[in-house]
Amino acid sequence: DGGITQSPKYLFRKEGQNVTLSCEQNLNHDAMYWYRQDPGQGLRLIYYSQIVNDFQKGDIAEGYSVSREKKESFPLTVTSAQKNPTAFYLCASVPLGQGRGYTFGSGTRLTVV
Amino acid sequence: GDSVTQMEGPVTLSEEAFLTINCTYTATGYPSLFWYVQYPGEGLQLLLKATKADDKGSNKGFEATYRKETTSFHLEKGSVQVSDSAVYFCALTDKNSGGSNYKLTFGKGTLLTVNP
Repeated sequence: DGGITQSPKYLFRKEGQNVTLSCEQNLNHDAMYWYRQDPGQGLRLIYYSQIVNDFQKGDIAEGYSVSREKKESFPLTVTSAQKNPTAFYLCASVPLGQGRGYTFGSGTRLTVV
Repeated sequence: GDSVTQMEGPVTLSEEAFLTINCTYTATGYPSLFWYVQYPGEGLQLLLKATKADDKGSNKGFEATYRKETTSFHLEKGSVQVSDSAVYFCALTDKNSGGSNYKLTFGKGTLLTVNP
């Protein structure tokens, strides 16, 4: 079955480390997104990409980086510049064409230790 | 810019009670509207959608009608079950916001707890 796979499900980061969250989809969707979810704050957009080798900053891109070398993959790196990275991270994808809902992965919970 | 305002809750109901979660929106163009559901520790699942005014989205007993005159998309269910306990998000994409970027704008979510 097609879907979005996020890994790992749980991730622990030490202070000053960079970590990379994986997002892979086999839905042949064009656009992919990364959201951050914090309690009581809903979802906030970090980065998004509509085509390979192109991506755009969202509302809270500082301290994060992404790449889109393949249509199926959109990894997110949380750098040491992100001062408060503990959160639940969600990846999503959608085919081009208005009115279509996103498909979400099951999320990665990142904790700073 | 686009925005979504929904009842923040938490909402606590007894099984078989009637559910309404209010959602209103602000958009510059002609949005498509969505309700997503999130169960504990999981990602979001699309519950229902409506793409134009007066459309009614429905799924699993949940319904919402796209009301352009009141800019609303309230979620309703006639008889909730314990298994409906989750966080519900209202969201929109606007055809005219920045062209074809298809960004979803979310409300902050409403926690629903249904007691037996």
